[in-house]
Amino acid sequence: ETGVTQTPRHLVMGMTNKKSLKCEQHLGHNAMYWYKQSAKKPLELMFVYNFKEQTENNSVPSRFSPECPNSSHLFLHLHTLQPEDSALYLCASSHQLAGDYNEQFFGPGTRLTVL
Amino acid sequence: GQNIDQPTEMTATEGAIVQINCTYQTSGFNGLFWYQQHAGEAPTFLSYNVLDGLEEKGRFSSFLSRSKGYSYLLLKELQMKDSASYLCAVLDSNYQLIWGAGTKLIIKP
Repeated sequence: ETGVTQTPRHLVMGMTNKKSLKCEQHLGHNAMYWYKQSAKKPLELMFVYNFKEQTENNSVPSRFSPECPNSSHLFLHLHTLQPEDSALYLCASSHQLAGDYNEQFFGPGTRLTVL
Repeated sequence: GQNIDQPTEMTATEGAIVQINCTYQTSGFNGLFWYQQHAGEAPTFLSYNVLDGLEEKGRFSSFLSRSKGYSYLLLKELQMKDSASYLCAVLDSNYQLIWGAGTKLIIKP
């Protein structure tokens, strides 16, 4: 039990579909993150939320839309995706955003396949 | 630009020792992390170094040299369950984690 859960674990969708990924953390953390992980590539930071406020949007296409209703929940809304968006999407949380020791705890990820 | 380099893949024998290297060029430095990621699972925290030197934690040790932009993860008494990818990540001046692509470690009997 990592304290960070993600649903669904696997998702197959067409390019015209709309779906949402959900992340929940039970650790009382204040910062939450969305990452994209593609094979043999570094983790790509997509979005960062601190105390429910978005602090980073690393040039992510608008077909990815994050939502953070509270410090424990994070969503990633998906629409009109492309096949190259197929990847593992990881959610993470940390106690604080800035600071010298900022260990991030990861969820198990959602394996997304776009047909 | 910011860059983290680590070998793509390494192979070692059960019971042996292996060292996984990581070099980095980042805008600022606020610490270096090592994570372990088994196939199909979430990355899990292994170690954190912010000062030069060696940090030992059981069979795993991590070393940092800030002047050289270099770190290594040392795994002793290798076990089959150590087969995984090992991710190096640096916390930059904006407290963002910059990640390497990971080193896939294969342990053979």
